[in-house]
Amino acid sequence: QVQLVQSGAEVMKPGASVKVSCKASGYTFTRYYMHWVRQAPGQGLEWMGIINPSSGVTTYAQKFQGRVTLTRDTSTSTVYMELSSLRSEDTAVYYCARDTPIDRVIDYWGQGTLVTVSS
Amino acid sequence: DIVMTQSPDSLAVSLGERATINCKSSQSILYSSNNKNQLAWFQQKPGQPPKLLIYWASTRESGVPDRFSGSGSGTDFTLTISSLQAEDVAVYYCHQYYTTPRTFGQGTKVEIK
Repeated sequence: QVQLVQSGAEVMKPGASVKVSCKASGYTFTRYYMHWVRQAPGQGLEWMGIINPSSGVTTYAQKFQGRVTLTRDTSTSTVYMELSSLRSEDTAVYYCARDTPIDRVIDYWGQGTLVTVSS
Repeated sequence: DIVMTQSPDSLAVSLGERATINCKSSQSILYSSNNKNQLAWFQQKPGQPPKLLIYWASTRESGVPDRFSGSGSGTDFTLTISSLQAEDVAVYYCHQYYTTPRTFGQGTKVEIK
């Protein structure tokens, strides 16, 4: 069965960087693009970017350009999201989410990783 | 960016009654290759990631109860829960996957009256 297992919660200082991992299993990793979506406490869903695990090509939301980097390791079927210059407003649950190759809709989500930014 | 606007922000419905959530996109999300709208609905329960319910505006995801249905075209879409069950208490989000940046509605909280 499809599983997206994310790394554990992080507490970071303002100005630092955080790197969250998402390990995929149960399907062919390189066939499905992966999104990153975040959700601030009590708020809605905010799309951050997408990576093609086969080529490594990425597209980022304008809001995060220059601060977010998506990468992948095909040998371990893992995608990574690194966010730099953290500020308190970046406190959120970060999700990886798989995109289907035919319908192009998100069909599976990771369990989420809480990143808390606090001095 | 395509703005997705949901209404209402919250609603309370009696068990067994119908719940209707609306979603409006700021521009067309019609995919010309198959003449279908690239609109999905997700359900999110507290402490859980979102779950896909509906895609292509009206196609139910495998395993989703048939009390959930999606409709609409152009820029106006609706999610209907025909007979609300206790386990349907959640926040529901519409989502356009027509273009990047992908965008979501602000969410509609469904509660039991």
